[in-house]
Amino acid sequence: EIVLTQSPGTLSLSPGERATLSCRASQTISASYLAWYQQKPGQAPRLLIYGASRRATGIPDRFSGSASGTDFTLSISRLEPEDFAVYYCQQYGSSLPYSFGQGTKLEIK
Amino acid sequence: QVQLQESGPALVKPSETLSLTCAVSGYSINSGFYWGWIRQPPGKGLEWIASMFHDGATDYNPSLKSRVTISVDTSKNQFSLRLSSVTAADTAVYYCVRVAQLVYYYLDYWGQGALVTVSS
Repeated sequence: EIVLTQSPGTLSLSPGERATLSCRASQTISASYLAWYQQKPGQAPRLLIYGASRRATGIPDRFSGSASGTDFTLSISRLEPEDFAVYYCQQYGSSLPYSFGQGTKLEIK
Repeated sequence: QVQLQESGPALVKPSETLSLTCAVSGYSINSGFYWGWIRQPPGKGLEWIASMFHDGATDYNPSLKSRVTISVDTSKNQFSLRLSSVTAADTAVYYCVRVAQLVYYYLDYWGQGALVTVSS
């Protein structure tokens, strides 16, 4: 089973700052299988990034993703008030079960 | 625009079977993509349950496989989840999703979620 470990658990930043969220896989996975989702309270998650670095339709270019070995990163260049939410990474397609990270809560400082 | 909508009982008794249906609009289930279920216990993270293709090919979370059945009704453009022998630990918001499984793998459309509480 592939375990995805996200860090930090909570990230406190101010609007306009840059956010860097990490997702580390316990085994090597193809970047094709790694996606990032944003979830706001009371809402379903929304796809942000797929293939580790490809923005989903309608996602602003301040969101970007990258990969290096078993480490995956989601960056938000200039935080907007609507970006404060919980972010999840997921590996889907590599091996069962298709697991999610535990989430990083991005909160306003 | 692709839309997914979950429906089913909000309250299920322990040891009984949870049943949910996901109605898909704006896209034909027969046209491709996989279709699946994700759940989220209150205040906790996301857990993948199962996915299937319209031809019946399925993937199940091994931890739930013995209790889960997913099926598709192409005539109604909907798919369903059944989870048997439920306990309080199965209390969660259940989401149905569309799954892209070609070159890249991701969940691109989500239902709004259905809260199911297991309680007597």
